[in-house]
Amino acid sequence: GAGVSQSPRYKVAKRGQDVALRCDPISGHVSLFWYQQALGQGPEFLTYFQNEAQLDKSGLPSDRFFAERPEGSVSTLKIQRTQQEDSAVYLCASRRGGSYNEQFFGPGTRLTVL
Amino acid sequence: TQLLEQSPQFLSIQEGENLTVYCNSSSVFSSLQWYRQEPGEGPVLLVTVVTGGEVKKLKRLTFQFGDARKDSSLHITAAQPGDTGLYLCAVLWRGTSYGKLTFGQGTILTVHP
Repeated sequence: GAGVSQSPRYKVAKRGQDVALRCDPISGHVSLFWYQQALGQGPEFLTYFQNEAQLDKSGLPSDRFFAERPEGSVSTLKIQRTQQEDSAVYLCASRRGGSYNEQFFGPGTRLTVL
Repeated sequence: TQLLEQSPQFLSIQEGENLTVYCNSSSVFSSLQWYRQEPGEGPVLLVTVVTGGEVKKLKRLTFQFGDARKDSSLHITAAQPGDTGLYLCAVLWRGTSYGKLTFGQGTILTVHP
């Protein structure tokens, strides 16, 4: 079956532009996570959805970051007025349900802000 | 302060050598996971260790969870170029009920032919 997919795979933005990153989770997966990963570092948690409800957004770096999952499937991470420090790989992961089940990660979107 | 400290940060070895990667913390965890991430891909779960002192083997990879459940190690025997990648340890953050993962900073392994 299909895994988690993300688009675009690469995004180059000029500082100040808005970007939208898409995540298509595995069908039927209730839980969805967004992580930010700096080059050569481990992923850092951004936000968590259970179906369409955003239950934790404590990892979002600033109010320029916004995530949604309106129908409980596809999710979009939006970054407004991008800054150079936003340059990173943004990973999406989905999980069938239950906190001890495996999270399946997508390939990520590499965002470069010039 | 990092919840999980991984060492070494970088490891460059020749094919056939053995290596060990460490993941340490001052906190006790109910379980710990190891992931491998290749360039341009997301992390892939290798193993979950649950019991203190537990040893799990996955082909040439041996994973150990410390007796006190504060640390873990990953040992690779006879490394191959295909083992090249970023190795990450992670734990479920106990402050939430939904299974939020906290990762170490990773070990970048390069195996030269």
